[in-house]
Amino acid sequence: KQEVTQIPAALSVPEGENLVLNCSFTDSAIYNLQWFRQDPGKGLTSLLLIQSSQREQTSGRLNASLDKSSGRSTLYIAASQPGDSATYLCAVQDAGGTSYGKLTFGQGTILTVHP
Amino acid sequence: EAQVTQNPRYLITVTGKKLTVTCSQNMNHEYMSWYRQDPGLGLRQIYYSMNVEVTDKGDVPEGYKVSRKEKRNFPLILESPSPNQTSLYFCASSLSVGDSSYEQYFGPGTRLTVT
Repeated sequence: KQEVTQIPAALSVPEGENLVLNCSFTDSAIYNLQWFRQDPGKGLTSLLLIQSSQREQTSGRLNASLDKSSGRSTLYIAASQPGDSATYLCAVQDAGGTSYGKLTFGQGTILTVHP
Repeated sequence: EAQVTQNPRYLITVTGKKLTVTCSQNMNHEYMSWYRQDPGLGLRQIYYSMNVEVTDKGDVPEGYKVSRKEKRNFPLILESPSPNQTSLYFCASSLSVGDSSYEQYFGPGTRLTVT
């Protein structure tokens, strides 16, 4: 059974810092990995999708890497801003099993960027 | 605008009173699914649908029903809600599954309270 772990659980930093959020998963048989952002009480906004054959994806100040063989992904946020404050969720779509398309989520990293 | 919509966004109801949470997408996606999010348990899949008239159970289907009569709609039905179904519910959709390039999009969420 796929398990996804995110470290740290919470992170509080001053504005301007570069950040690294970590995600690990136990089964490397995945189609892809997605990083999401969730604001309090709100929906999930997809930030980046990394396909299983890719090593990294970039969008603006965000860069995500994937090492499928070791079961790890990192989300790098450059020059953090207070508006980046949110919960960041990592999710993998399994290539095996019978629950097609299911995303297995980590518990998330709660990020607070203070001015 | 390409989106997944859910209604209602907030609902307070009483035990045993049947309710339906609607989900609609305008992206001509084949795959749709429902998740619930609970503190400490994260996001868990309830049901999914590979296409019209094709649905299957996710990890936590007890107490829920779904139907997929049209491609764009995937309602979640609680025939006899109980307090343990108090949760934040998300609908998601994807062009398809089984391919690494298919990103999943989430609705804004429905916060359900059953008293």
